[in-house]
Formats: sequence, C-alpha cells, structure tokens
Amino acid sequence: EDQVTQSPEALRLQEGESSSLNCSYTVSGLRGLFWYRQDPGKGPEFLFTLYSAGEEKEKERLKATLTKKESFLHITAPKPEDSATYLCAVQTQRTGANSKLTFGKGITLSVRP
Amino acid sequence: DTGVSQNPRHKITKRGQNVTFRCDPISEHNRLYWYRQTLGQGPEFLTYFQNEAQLEKSRLLSDRFSAERPKGSFSTLEIQRTEQGDSAMYLCASSFREGWTEAFFGQGTRLTVV
Repeated sequence: EDQVTQSPEALRLQEGESSSLNCSYTVSGLRGLFWYRQDPGKGPEFLFTLYSAGEEKEKERLKATLTKKESFLHITAPKPEDSATYLCAVQTQRTGANSKLTFGKGITLSVRP
Repeated sequence: DTGVSQNPRHKITKRGQNVTFRCDPISEHNRLYWYRQTLGQGPEFLTYFQNEAQLEKSRLLSDRFSAERPKGSFSTLEIQRTEQGDSAMYLCASSFREGWTEAFFGQGTRLTVV
C-alpha cells in the first residue's frame, strides 16, 4: 500500500528564518509527487509536481526537490503569508495519469512577524 | 467560470439523516474527484469520474455513500443514515487534461453530524 509520511507535524518559524519540510514516501513505482498549500477552511492549492529523482522546481520563496525516497520543500526567508498547511501527495504508475493521489497528513507552518 | 464550486459550504445534520452535496467542476473538465478530509489529516480519496462514468471507488466509500455525475457535468455525493464519523470536509477536484498538474480543488463542504 502506498504510504506518505510528512514531518514535522507542525513548524513555527520567525519571519526570514529558512527551513525545510520533509515528505517520505513508499510506493510501487512513482508517477509523480505533488506539493499543495492549504489555507484554513479552503481546498488545497497546487504548488509543484516532481517526476524523477534529482528534479527541482522553484516558485518564489519555495523550492521542491525529489530523491528516490523523499521530497523536501525548502522555504527561504519565509513571510507570515506563507503560513498554511503544506500537503505532499503521490501518484503511482499502476493506474495511469488520472489515478488518485495519496496524501500525507500535512505540515502546519506558522511564520511569526 | 472562476473555479470548482461546491455547495453547501457548511452542513449540520442530525445523526441518521441523509445529506447531499453538489460539485460543479470547471467548464469542460471531464475528470472529477471526491475526497474526504478530517481534522489534522490529509485528504482521502473517495471516488473518480471520467465524464459520467464512475471509474474508481475507494473501499472507504461504504454502502451509505453514493456519487453520481449525470451527463458528465455536475456531481452529487449523497450520504445516507449519517454517523458522527462522517463529520469531515468533503472536497471535489476537477481536471481537463490527463494528470493532476492542471487539477483544481473546490473550497469543500464541511459536514458536522450531531
């Protein structure tokens, strides 16, 4: 069974204090790894998709990286508006491009001004 | 068309009652997914439609749950004889092309069973 584990569960940072969020996964053939941002009371918002080990993607203060066992979401000089829950999800090769995503529990990030 | 629309946004119901939620996907999106999210957890897959065909159902979707997508447009998710354990956020997502990169989630319907 596909498994996604995110750590830590919660992270409190001071504005400007860079850090990384971890997503470990166990799947039988990774098709893609996805990062989402979710604000309280709202649906997840797509951030990145990574397909192969060594791949990196960046967007503003966020950078996602992928290895064969885990992914990191690096946050550089975060601002209070980066406070949210960050979800990691995997999609496997078994059932194709439209198959379900399996999500981790998420990491709640709080950035203090 | 500003995105995936879910109604109602909030629903409080008594245990044992039936409830129905609606999801209107982005126009021309032929793929539609339902997920359930409880507090402190990530979304869990419930079911998936391509046009009007329900192609995959999770074992989480007990006999009390049923989903439809008539004519391949909007979708409804019905829960019969609700239980307190059904309290959760029910999320809908839709996409046009293959894969999740161009999929969008709605704001969700929060169900509270009392």
